[in-house]
Amino acid sequence: GQSLEQPSEVTAVEGAIVQINCTYQTSGFYGLSWYQQHDGGAPTFLSYNALDGLEETGRFSSFLSRSDSYGYLLLQELQMKDSASYFCAVSYGGSQGNLIFGKGTKLSVKP
Amino acid sequence: GAGVSQTPSNKVTEKGKYVELRCDPISGHTALYWYRQSLGQGPEFLIYFQGTGAADDSGLPNDRFFAVRPEGSVSTLKIQRTERGDSAVYLCASSMNTGELFFGEGSRLTVL
Repeated sequence: GQSLEQPSEVTAVEGAIVQINCTYQTSGFYGLSWYQQHDGGAPTFLSYNALDGLEETGRFSSFLSRSDSYGYLLLQELQMKDSASYFCAVSYGGSQGNLIFGKGTKLSVKP
Repeated sequence: GAGVSQTPSNKVTEKGKYVELRCDPISGHTALYWYRQSLGQGPEFLIYFQGTGAADDSGLPNDRFFAVRPEGSVSTLKIQRTERGDSAVYLCASSMNTGELFFGEGSRLTVL
């Protein structure tokens, strides 16, 4: 089967940097994605890593280590609007395979 | 439309009734996923389609749940003999198999 682990809650202050870790166990691993979801809203795509290393998109970066079955999402220069839930998700079974989500990390950004 | 459209946005039904939830994906997206999400939880996988066929339906909780995508575009999730435990937000997403899923706003199902 597939399983993902990520912290349930993280709190940080405006302007700070926060890292949300994700470990996974899956057969046929293909890639790791990150999604953001505000309360009452739909999940929105943030990033995708299929290869080892760091992907940077503005204030957000995502890292993957396939050998360690581990990835993280790094959020820099935190803003109040970044308060949301963040989900890691694994793709498996190839480019046309399935996508399974973790339980999510609720990030609270304080002034 | 430009995004994934789900109808109805809200559905209240009585225990034992039949419910259909519709998803209209982004035009040209070959993959379509159904998830359900309870408060404070991550999206729970139900079923996904590649074109018209169900590529993986292992997430459907039991035989009361069924989904179709007859022409490879619109999909309908069907729930028979609804139970209170079926209450959740049902999310649909579509993709061009790039690793990026585009989600609709969801259908909130409440079973009384």
